[in-house]
Amino acid sequence: DAGVIQSPRHEVTEMGQEVTLRCKPISGHNSLFWYRQTMMRGLELLIYFNNNVPIDDSGMPEDRFSAKMPNASFSTLKIQPSEPRDSAVYFCASSLAGPHQPQHFGDGTRLSIL
Amino acid sequence: AQRVTQPEKLLSVFKGAPVELKCNYSYSGSPELFWYVQYSRQRLQLLLRHISRESIKGFTADLNKGETSFHLKKPFAQEEDSAMYYCALRRRSGTYKYIFGTGTRLKVLA
Repeated sequence: DAGVIQSPRHEVTEMGQEVTLRCKPISGHNSLFWYRQTMMRGLELLIYFNNNVPIDDSGMPEDRFSAKMPNASFSTLKIQPSEPRDSAVYFCASSLAGPHQPQHFGDGTRLSIL
Repeated sequence: AQRVTQPEKLLSVFKGAPVELKCNYSYSGSPELFWYVQYSRQRLQLLLRHISRESIKGFTADLNKGETSFHLKKPFAQEEDSAMYYCALRRRSGTYKYIFGTGTRLKVLA
């Protein structure tokens, strides 16, 4: 298995543009998580899905952020409009839902908003 | 409230010295605890979990329910251990949400 696959690896765009980050979880995993990592705040959970259903989106910063999981093998995190303070590394992770199951992380998307 | 606290943002030790990265948690039930490591510009990867009681890359961590701690230890640090270390707590039932600490950057000096 190739693990969790995220795209793009790097994204540089101008303020106000729409940004879409993509994630393909490990096949068979039924939980998917989106995190944001910054120097100041560390690793923050934005949203997570269980069986494609959003369970907890309390970490989504504001309405400019939205996430979808249309099927078990794909999820998107969208920022519209983007702002410079959204610059960060965004990680996607997946896991099985049973006890003692660890998360498996993707390589992350390094996002820079100019 | 569920919380994971890593009190040190940065820990510097010399090569060959012992290392202890602190992790304290608050959780009313029986938690599952994990340590993740992130080497420079790489993805986070699982280092160890409390249920396994194993040693990975010379690291061990013992769950102390009395002190609500899960400290990560290594007797002799190596330069390649330099990385960011995250402690994480996961509920054992229900929504299986993970809660991460803010991380500790370990620098092993030559």
